[in-house]
Amino acid sequence: QQQVKQSPQSLIVQKGGISIINCAYENTAFDYFPWYQQFPGKGPALLIAIRPDVSEKKEGRFTISFNKSAKQFSLHIMDSQPGDSATYFCAASMSTNAGKSTFGDGTTLTVKP
Amino acid sequence: KAGVTQTPRYLIKTRGQQVTLSCSPISGHRSVSWYQQTPGQGLQFLFEYFSETQRNKGNFPGRFSGRQFSNSRSEMNVSTLELGDSALYLCASRLRLNQYSLNTEAFFGQGTRLTVV
Repeated sequence: QQQVKQSPQSLIVQKGGISIINCAYENTAFDYFPWYQQFPGKGPALLIAIRPDVSEKKEGRFTISFNKSAKQFSLHIMDSQPGDSATYFCAASMSTNAGKSTFGDGTTLTVKP
Repeated sequence: KAGVTQTPRYLIKTRGQQVTLSCSPISGHRSVSWYQQTPGQGLQFLFEYFSETQRNKGNFPGRFSGRQFSNSRSEMNVSTLELGDSALYLCASRLRLNQYSLNTEAFFGQGTRLTVV
C-alpha cells in the first residue's frame, strides 16, 4: 500500500518559472512532511519541512503548502533556476515512529535555460 | 562537521553471496536509518537503529539485517543476494536525544551502489 503519492513524475520548467510538485498521503497519523532534493550520485538532502499545525512554510524560493483536510501538500519553487534541476522527493513520518519515513516516488525536475 | 559516511561507494557481488555495508553517522547523532533506493520502487525504509537497538523495521525479508555499535556506527548485511537486491543503499542519521524525541532533520550519506550479477 503506497501511503504517499507524488505527482508529476517529471516536470520541465523554463528558467524563472514556478515549479509545483504535489503529494497526497493516506495515514492521518503522519505529522512531519519534509521535501528532499537529490542530485545524481548524491544522497537526498532536506530542502524544507512542515508540520500540520501550519498551512504554509517558506524558505527562500521554496514554499510548502499544506492542506490537512485534503491530506495533500505541495512544493513550490519560485524563479526556478537550471541549478534546481534534480529529483525531488516528498516524505511523511510520525513523531512516534520518527526514524521511519515514507517517501513519494520522486519528481525529476528539469529547468531549461 | 563531517557528514554521513557510507562505505564502500560501489560494490559488485554475485548472486548467493552476502554483503556488509557500513554507515558512520554525523558525530553526536544516535539514530541511523537505512533505505533502499531503486528506480522502480523509490526509497523504501529498511530499518532504524537507535542506541544499538533496532527501533523500526520495514517490509523486507529476513535476509536484510543490521546492527549498530556503541559509537553509533551502523552496518547492514544482506545474505543470499538476489538480482533484485541491486540498488542504492542509503543511510540517514538524525540527532535523536531519546526514544521520545520528535522528528528532526535526517542527513543522508551518498549511498552504496550495490550491483548483483
